[in-house]
Amino acid sequence: KNQVEQSPQSLIILEGKNCTLQCNYTVSPFSNLRWYKQDTGRGPVSLTIMTFSENTKSNGRYTATLDADTKQSSLHITASQLSDSASYICVVSDRGSTLGRLYFGRGTQLTVWP
Amino acid sequence: EADIYQTPRYLVIGTGKKITLECSQTMGHDKMYWYQQDPGMELHLIHYSYGVNSTEKGDLSSESTVSRIRTEHFPLTLESARPSHTSQYLCASKGGRTSTDTQYFGPGTRLTVL
Repeated sequence: KNQVEQSPQSLIILEGKNCTLQCNYTVSPFSNLRWYKQDTGRGPVSLTIMTFSENTKSNGRYTATLDADTKQSSLHITASQLSDSASYICVVSDRGSTLGRLYFGRGTQLTVWP
Repeated sequence: EADIYQTPRYLVIGTGKKITLECSQTMGHDKMYWYQQDPGMELHLIHYSYGVNSTEKGDLSSESTVSRIRTEHFPLTLESARPSHTSQYLCASKGGRTSTDTQYFGPGTRLTVL
């Protein structure tokens, strides 16, 4: 069964600190993995996308890594800001999903305190 | 910033009422999707469309129906709302032909059925 598991479920950090969110998946055959940021009451917004051959991708203070062998990904946030408070969702697409059907994790709820 | 819109943003309605959630996009995308999301849970696909006059049911069974008469418009209808329909409904769209193309999400409609 294709699944996406994220940890931790929630995380509280102080402003300026770094953090790392984890994602494990069993989706096969694998096509790509995205990290989305979802602010409260809003729709998800794509942060990064990685395909099978990519093992790291950066977008500003966000750096995603992918280990396709162990089927694990991480999202590292550097020098956190209050605006980083959101849910971060790991989304995996299988190779047959050319029409965009995706497998979603439940997200990690990040809270950044001043 | 994605050009995909949903109305209303919030809706509180009584049991038995008929409701329509509106979704429109101005990007000319042929593929559109409806997801249902409960707090702390993953997004579940309930409907999708490949293009005009094309609609399919998603992975999660839903009593709602959709239509796609125009490329830019993908409304979702509940004929008789029930408290079990209380949830957040997210609309998304995608252009292109590959699984690496981005799905863009609208801001969502928060539905409460009393």
